[in-house]
Amino acid sequence: KAGVTQTPRYLIKTRGQQVTLSCSPISGHRSVSWYQQTPGQGLQFLFEYFSETQRNKGNFPGRFSGRQFSNSRSEMNVSTLELGDSALYLCASSSDGIGGGDVNYGYTFGSGTRLTVV
Amino acid sequence: AQKVTQAQTEISVVEKEDVTLDCVYETRDTTYYLFWYKQPPSGELVFLIRRNSFDEQNEISGRYSWNFQKSTSSFNFTITASQVVDSAVYFCALRCLTTSGTYKYIFGTGTRLKVLA
Repeated sequence: KAGVTQTPRYLIKTRGQQVTLSCSPISGHRSVSWYQQTPGQGLQFLFEYFSETQRNKGNFPGRFSGRQFSNSRSEMNVSTLELGDSALYLCASSSDGIGGGDVNYGYTFGSGTRLTVV
Repeated sequence: AQKVTQAQTEISVVEKEDVTLDCVYETRDTTYYLFWYKQPPSGELVFLIRRNSFDEQNEISGRYSWNFQKSTSSFNFTITASQVVDSAVYFCALRCLTTSGTYKYIFGTGTRLKVLA
């Protein structure tokens, strides 16, 4: 069974640009969550989608947005990039319907996209 | 408040030493789940264990063991006879209820474990 696939693995962008990151969940998983990981802030929850609907949203500015497609693949977009957006962006999927991952096995995470803003 | 605290930012041990990673949590939920994840250099978080609030039984899996104590709101993780392959960042997480009636994770800031040969 293929794992959670995130593309691209690495990305370098310039301040002011926008970026789109992609996540393909495990087949059959309908829930996709996004997290931002930075050395100073740890893992911060961005948002969670289930069946194409945003179910939860973290405390990030409106520059951060996401969507989920009918095949459960998800994208997140960051507009007007700032230096502080440099981070590892992790995607996680689960089959759970009420959020927070599977109660027994939690989430399955991808390897992340490392975004560097210069 | 819903919060997970991992006070140890980084720990270094010599191979074969035992090491304990601390996790303290705060939650208003009466039913909740706690998790430990391992993040190797490759980046993905790997699920290690989950514990629900009704089960305070400690668990052992090979060299790994977990001590869950509701009285002190702690869920500590011990690696016995550490190995270099245990070097990673370890995260403790709390699955908690949101105001919308769904659930989400709150992660601790992680503990970087370095096992030296």
